[in-house]
Amino acid sequence: QKEVEQDPGPLSVPEGAIVSLNCTYSNSAFQYFMWYRQYSRKGPELLMYTYSSGNKEDGRFTAQVDKSSKYISLFIRDSQPSDSATYLCASFTGGFKTIFGAGTRLFVKA
Amino acid sequence: DAGVIQSPRHEVTEMGQEVTLRCKPISGHDYLFWYRQTMMRGLELLIYFNNNVPIDDSGMPEDRFSAKMPNASFSTLKIQPSEPRDSAVYFCASSIGGQPQHFGDGTRLSIL
Repeated sequence: QKEVEQDPGPLSVPEGAIVSLNCTYSNSAFQYFMWYRQYSRKGPELLMYTYSSGNKEDGRFTAQVDKSSKYISLFIRDSQPSDSATYLCASFTGGFKTIFGAGTRLFVKA
Repeated sequence: DAGVIQSPRHEVTEMGQEVTLRCKPISGHDYLFWYRQTMMRGLELLIYFNNNVPIDDSGMPEDRFSAKMPNASFSTLKIQPSEPRDSAVYFCASSIGGQPQHFGDGTRLSIL
């Protein structure tokens, strides 16, 4: 079992839809949770960063962590074609080895 | 602010040749990471440095791979000799302490 599991998709939605991206993790020691966005032929870009459980909102993006169920979510409201990218969840314990999910490819159709 | 800078952006070479990938981390960052990304295996951590010292190289696939960080602003990843199965996108990332990593735009390596 991988430490961070993520459905690779692809996920295709119409413009304006609410997108829900999810990951599960197995290591109870994980304390830091991130979402990276990766456009084609570019490096992963840090999108959201949360510590422990709870929600964090930034514009149209909301990151949610439920440590009791080991579930990580990213919600995108009013999705735009420019949101089309691969989204990677990631976790680390506070040490320095970050574990990445496989990434979910998202397509937002105009 | 300048991000992580990698060069070259693309490299095409023949099997058996030496390949050197370069990385300039973000100024002030004390951790540097090298990753390889493929469709099959996703992002794989190869090696990381703290204050220019290699800390964990357990992800380096073979002795053909080596990495150095001679100073705080420069690192190299070398493959010698290269093989077609080394074809991938190689990313460098840097961070401060226990903060999330910031990635460069990668080197797309093709070994013919």
